Parts: sequence; structure tokens; C-alpha cells
Amino acid sequence: DTAVSQTPKYLVTQMGNDKSIKCEQNLGHDTMYWYKQDSKKFLKIMFSYNNKELIINETVPNRFSPKSPDKAHLNLHINSLELGDSAVYFCASSQGTGGIYEQYFGPGTRLTVT
Amino acid sequence: AQSVTQLGSHVSVSEGALVLLRCNYSSSVPPYLFWYVQYPNQGLQLLLKYTSAATLVKGINGFEAEFKKSETSFHLTKPSAHMSDAAEYFCAVSVTNQAGTALIFGKGTTLSVSS
Repeated sequence: DTAVSQTPKYLVTQMGNDKSIKCEQNLGHDTMYWYKQDSKKFLKIMFSYNNKELIINETVPNRFSPKSPDKAHLNLHINSLELGDSAVYFCASSQGTGGIYEQYFGPGTRLTVT
Repeated sequence: AQSVTQLGSHVSVSEGALVLLRCNYSSSVPPYLFWYVQYPNQGLQLLLKYTSAATLVKGINGFEAEFKKSETSFHLTKPSAHMSDAAEYFCAVSVTNQAGTALIFGKGTTLSVSS
């Protein structure tokens, strides 16, 4: 069983469209995250949720809206997509919010905006 | 602010040679440090982590890292490289504040292994 799964794996869309990426973890973890990896492979935190509550919201455009329907799921909705949104988006989860807990990553969703 | 710096964006070794990937951290408090590996078109996999229990940390696939406070370093090593080790390697520090915890990553090091 995949610990952290994401759908879709690839997403190609046009500027201005709205799209969603789904993430599910079956590890029983309380905390989930979204990271963005740019074309230079630099990884940066976007959001963090703990027990369905948003606890980290980095400087991300308002067009990005995370939603956590339950502890096992964290979805990312993106409105009015722009060329600069092209990247690989990774979902991750951890047992808790403390720094000692390692984060488990999903396989990533490669978003291409044309 | 806590951060990590990976020295060398690209490291090339021969199969069977020593692998050394460098990571230096900046932190005003005892850090939690991690090494992750990313194979092409895949997610990140945890290799090992330092949480102050022991300065020499052993991980998966024969990798290990040594925490050296005096040098603010957490370099990753493997005695003998395999072709399958070719991948992107990321050093990360865990940062916790009132808002929560996030991993701050270095820029990554691409490891190439030649036969």
C-alpha cells in the first residue's frame, strides 16, 4: 500500500484554468503538508495542516487554496493558473508537528501550464 | 533563521568509490537534520535523520552521516558507490515556530555514478 498518494501524477492545462490535486495518506498521521519544487529542483513549503486545521501558510498567492476534509486527506485547489505555477507539487505527512518527526512524501504531481 | 547549505551542486564518482555529499547548517538551537534522496520522477525518500540521540547516524542503503557541532556540518557518506545511488540528494533542517513545523531544504546535490 502506498503511504502517501497523490492524483493526478501529471497535469497539463492552459492558463486561466482551475485545477485540483488530491493527496491521501494511510499512515494515521496528524499533520500534512504541501511543498512546491521548481524547475531548479528547489523545494519550498507552501502549507501545513494539523488535524484538519491550517497551521502554516507561507507567502503563496491567494489563488492557491488547500482543503483538508479529514486528517487523511489534503487537497490543493489552484484558481486562474499562470505559467509560473508550473512545478512539481509534493504532498507530505508526519506523525506530529514537532521538528523531530520525519516527513513522508508522495510521488509528486507535475503541473504544466501552457 | 535556520538554513542548510549544500556544497557542490553536482558530484561525480566511480562505482565503488567513496561518496561524500556536504551539508552545513545554520541554527541558533540544536537542529533536527535530515537527508532525503529523490530518484528521477519520484518523490523524496528519507535516508536518515539526526535528532541529537547520536552524532553518527546510520541510514538506509548503506548511507551514514555525522553531526559535527563544531563545524556545523552534517555530511552524508557511503563507503562504496553503486550505480543505483545516482539521484538527487537533499539536506534539510526542521524549523518549528508558533505557526508549526516545516522542512527547509538545501538546493540539492546531483550524484552521478560511472562504471
